Amino acid sequence: GENVEQHPSTLSVQEGDSAVIKCTYSDSASNYFPWYKQELGKRPQLIIDIRSNVGEKKDQRIAVTLNKTAKHFSLHITETQPEDSAVYFCAAISSGGYNKLIFGAGTRLAVHP
Amino acid sequence: DAGVTQSPTHLIKTRGQQVTLRCSPKSGHDTVSWYQQALGQGPQFIFQYYEEEERQRGNFPDRFSGHQFPNYSSELNVNALLLGDSALYLCASSLARGASTDTQYFGPGTRLTVL
Repeated sequence: GENVEQHPSTLSVQEGDSAVIKCTYSDSASNYFPWYKQELGKRPQLIIDIRSNVGEKKDQRIAVTLNKTAKHFSLHITETQPEDSAVYFCAAISSGGYNKLIFGAGTRLAVHP
Repeated sequence: DAGVTQSPTHLIKTRGQQVTLRCSPKSGHDTVSWYQQALGQGPQFIFQYYEEEERQRGNFPDRFSGHQFPNYSSELNVNALLLGDSALYLCASSLARGASTDTQYFGPGTRLTVL
């Protein structure tokens, strides 16, 4: 069935370091991959997304790369700050259409000052 | 421009009871999806409503049902509540554009506790 695996489950970095979170997906027809940040007790917020017609997208300190052949995509955060601490979820859209998102299990990122 | 809103924010019910959760989509959006997020896990897709009809459903029992109104707002109903239904219920709105779809924006969620 449809599945998205996310690693690592927890990530601890020092302020200023880079953080990388990796996801793999099973449905080769998936064509949209968003990343959400969820702070404790708050809603998931979209931070960046990528569609299958591009291999990389960047927005200030955040970038996402996509390898369709290998069916994996990654989130890169550079120059991490304490406010980046949160749970990050990757997701892939189901090829069944209609915007059904399949989420990874999440990565808890802790940025230490 | 109002974002996605949900009510109530918290709810406590006992086993066997029924619950109704509500969602108003972001202005201009016409599609509402519902997700269940258990503690420490990623959101799981329940179902999606478009043009007042359920058009896709995840692996949830028939105890979970929904509705979409002409103003695009939506309700999620859960009957015969089980302890395992305790979770954060998230609503996400988007704009359907024919075969392609737009970004989903989430509401703040309703925290349901079943005792």
